[in-house]
Amino acid sequence: DAKTTQPPSMDCAEGRAANLPCNHSTISGNEYVYWYRQIHSQGPQYIIHGLKNNETNEMASLIITEDRKSSTLILPHATLRDTAVYYCIVNRNQAGTALIFGKGTTLSVSS
Amino acid sequence: EAQVTQNPRYLITVTGKKLTVTCSQNMNHEYMSWYRQDPGLGLRQIYYSMNVEVTDKGDVPEGYKVSRKEKRNFPLILESPSPNQTSLYFCASSPDRGIQYFGAGTRLSVL
Repeated sequence: DAKTTQPPSMDCAEGRAANLPCNHSTISGNEYVYWYRQIHSQGPQYIIHGLKNNETNEMASLIITEDRKSSTLILPHATLRDTAVYYCIVNRNQAGTALIFGKGTTLSVSS
Repeated sequence: EAQVTQNPRYLITVTGKKLTVTCSQNMNHEYMSWYRQDPGLGLRQIYYSMNVEVTDKGDVPEGYKVSRKEKRNFPLILESPSPNQTSLYFCASSPDRGIQYFGAGTRLSVL
């Protein structure tokens, strides 16, 4: 079973920051936190990942708490095209060959 | 442009008629994988390949075959499709099994 907990849905106004939380209280010391998103049945898209430190790239920022039990994905200026299902992933299948995508958070950005 | 290309994007077929879904990547990744996505069940790994001529079963391999004769190509073969294989299929490639690049998807309907 997935070891992450995310709210099922969130709303955000266009132009505002979208802060998507994820709880992963059972994360192991060497497990990374990955964020992906899926826009309406398209292929999932990698966003960002991190281990301990906060990370930033051209798409988003990832804030990981010091105890690593939770993290927040930040989209600094959400647009309508950011409407998608966002997945926070920390664990793999039993063979370790695939990330396990849970139910994710459906982010709706409106004007 | 770095990409994973799947073909066809949409396919309707009948029970028992062999089909192949092609997948090609231009990023020189060693690791490739096939997933299926079904409502309520998330993404599940079908097969994966660590390199040319190296393939192994994922979590739901029954009814599927794969081959990896070249690094860039990883076709998914359904020898005798059945209605329970109606699904949305994604191919992915990865440099390290964490950051995965997904194709646009193939929506298959088996009648």
